[in-house]
Amino acid sequence: KAGVTQTPRYLIKTRGQQVTLSCSPISGHRSVSWYQQTPGQGLQFLFEYFSETQRNKGNFPGRFSGRQFSNSRSEMNVSTLELGDSALYLCASSMTQGVFGNTIYFGEGSWLTVV
Amino acid sequence: AQKITQTQPGMFVQEKEAVTLDCTYDTSDQSYGLFWYKQPSSGEMIFLIYQGSYDEQNATEGRYSLNFQKARKSANLVISASQLGDSAMYFCAMREGESGGSNYKLTFGKGTLLTVNP
Repeated sequence: KAGVTQTPRYLIKTRGQQVTLSCSPISGHRSVSWYQQTPGQGLQFLFEYFSETQRNKGNFPGRFSGRQFSNSRSEMNVSTLELGDSALYLCASSMTQGVFGNTIYFGEGSWLTVV
Repeated sequence: AQKITQTQPGMFVQEKEAVTLDCTYDTSDQSYGLFWYKQPSSGEMIFLIYQGSYDEQNATEGRYSLNFQKARKSANLVISASQLGDSAMYFCAMREGESGGSNYKLTFGKGTLLTVNP
């Protein structure tokens, strides 16, 4: 079956612009989470959605937001882009939330460059 | 304090040999899960293996096994018979509160870059 699909794979934006990244989880998976990966900070948790509700949020400014749709697809948005937002953004999905032993699968990521 | 510590920034191994990648963790939860992921240069995070804190047996998945020592809070990844395609970054990650359902995020270590030499 298809894995986690993220679009776009690569994008370049200008400082001050906004960007929307999309994630389609594995079929049947209802939990979607987002991570930011940078060389300096490593992998950091952004937020997690389950059944269209944000369940957890990481320590990121309000410029970072997300949502989940009824079909479990998720989008994340970054407004007023800064150079430091340049990163690989990874989406992950799992079947349900909080079930012991539930494996988390990641997509290929979206490479964002802010110039 | 770091929750996940990977002390080896880089490791080298000869093709067909076994290699152990170290991971120690810190948590006060009784229920937690430990994951290993492989990340090639393309960026995709590939799931390798999972170990739950209550699992009595060490997890194995093909050439991957997890050496879980709960008292020492270590969860080392063992790759047997290394292949050239195993060259990648490897991340250890932990999910706390496995049974609680309220904390559903992964905390990652800084990773180990594995290079397999022919």
